[in-house]
Amino acid sequence: DQQVKQNSPSLSVQEGRISILNCDYTNSMFDYFLWYKKYPAEGPTFLISISSIKDKNEDGRFTVFLNKSAKHLSLHIVPSQPGDSAVYFCAASVKAAGNKLTFGGGTRVLVKP
Amino acid sequence: DVKVTQSSRYLVKRTGEKVFLECVQDMDHENMFWYRQDPGLGLRLIYFSYDVKMKEKGDIPEGYSVSREKKERFSLILESASTNQTSMYLCASALTGVYTGTEAFFGQGTRLTVV
Repeated sequence: DQQVKQNSPSLSVQEGRISILNCDYTNSMFDYFLWYKKYPAEGPTFLISISSIKDKNEDGRFTVFLNKSAKHLSLHIVPSQPGDSAVYFCAASVKAAGNKLTFGGGTRVLVKP
Repeated sequence: DVKVTQSSRYLVKRTGEKVFLECVQDMDHENMFWYRQDPGLGLRLIYFSYDVKMKEKGDIPEGYSVSREKKERFSLILESASTNQTSMYLCASALTGVYTGTEAFFGQGTRLTVV
């Protein structure tokens, strides 16, 4: 039973436009959420995170929104660039459980020039 | 910069072989993790360790064991490799962030093929 789900396996967007990636979770104990980016044949790299006490966190072109009541988070990338083409993973953890991350299935993003 | 290094990028092993995947981190992190990545399934946790000689099972520990004799090193062992263990294996490390939450840092991955 997947506790973290990314229902869109892929997303295609034009360069300069907004990319919106979505993630849903079922475990109400999760209190820390992260997004990772992964290129082929490389390990995931951390992008941005948000604590459950917040509903928005912004870092440059990346913004993460958290809706606790809906158990939903999203990642906005504005503007999208060709170098953003990668697989994006949503992850969640319970802080008191040693930062053991539970990942979604990933969304492959293709940014077209 | 945090560095997590996995000993091999690519490995090909035969069914039934005992396989060792090694991981070293240089940031004095307490927590270390082994995940496997399969298409559509994301990253699934195999084992994790929150201290030397301590280990806990993740979501898919069957067929695997781990060893953590030193803080910086965490090894994943496939006792008898099988074809369904063909996958990308990812090691990660993280600080213990009980009150703040912290990100995990990943190695470059080991693509293991069992034939």
